[in-house]
Amino acid sequence: AQTVTQSQPEMSVQEAETVTLSCTYDTSESDYYLFWYKQPPSRQMILVIRQEAYKQQNATENRFSVNFQKAAKSFSLKISDSQLGDAAMYFCAYEDTGTASKLTFGTGTRLQVTL
Amino acid sequence: NAGVTQTPKFRVLKTGQSMTLLCAQDMNHEYMYWYRQDPGMGLRLIHYSVGEGTTAKGEVPDGYNVSRLKKQNFLLGLESAAPSQTSVYFCASTTGTRGREQYFGPGTRLTVT
Repeated sequence: AQTVTQSQPEMSVQEAETVTLSCTYDTSESDYYLFWYKQPPSRQMILVIRQEAYKQQNATENRFSVNFQKAAKSFSLKISDSQLGDAAMYFCAYEDTGTASKLTFGTGTRLQVTL
Repeated sequence: NAGVTQTPKFRVLKTGQSMTLLCAQDMNHEYMYWYRQDPGMGLRLIHYSVGEGTTAKGEVPDGYNVSRLKKQNFLLGLESAAPSQTSVYFCASTTGTRGREQYFGPGTRLTVT
């Protein structure tokens, strides 16, 4: 079974600064998808960004970008120009390559944004 | 367009009681999922469905049953609740095409005393 590891339980960043959240995963597959989801205090899970393993180009969504290192099985999330609204739990997730698109989640990183 | 809704939002049960959590989606999604979220453990898959009338076990299925009689609804049942089932439960759905976003409901906080 695939495993997803987030080794940083908590991170802190000052407003307007940049922070990077780490994620590593274990798989024997070559074609898969990786995701970052955000869970603010409201508890609602929100997709932040998605990366297809076959695409070498790192995904970018506005202030959010990833550093995808396929050989190292690493998928970090960079948040630029951090805002107070970025404070949340962030979960890295791996999509199963079978037919059911099942997700395996990491344990999450709680991001605090300070003034 | 409500997306994914869950009923109820909160519930307290006594050990041994039963209950059903209802998940409904209005996006015509094929795939639906039930996860539980516990502190320090992320989200873990309980059961899932790839279409009306189908269900399958996920990572932590023991103590739960599911049914998907209609495409838009996915029910999660606890036949005899245990304190270990105290958790926040999330339902999610997606189109059935690989790599697509899963849309999550707002969650149900269940406490078993």
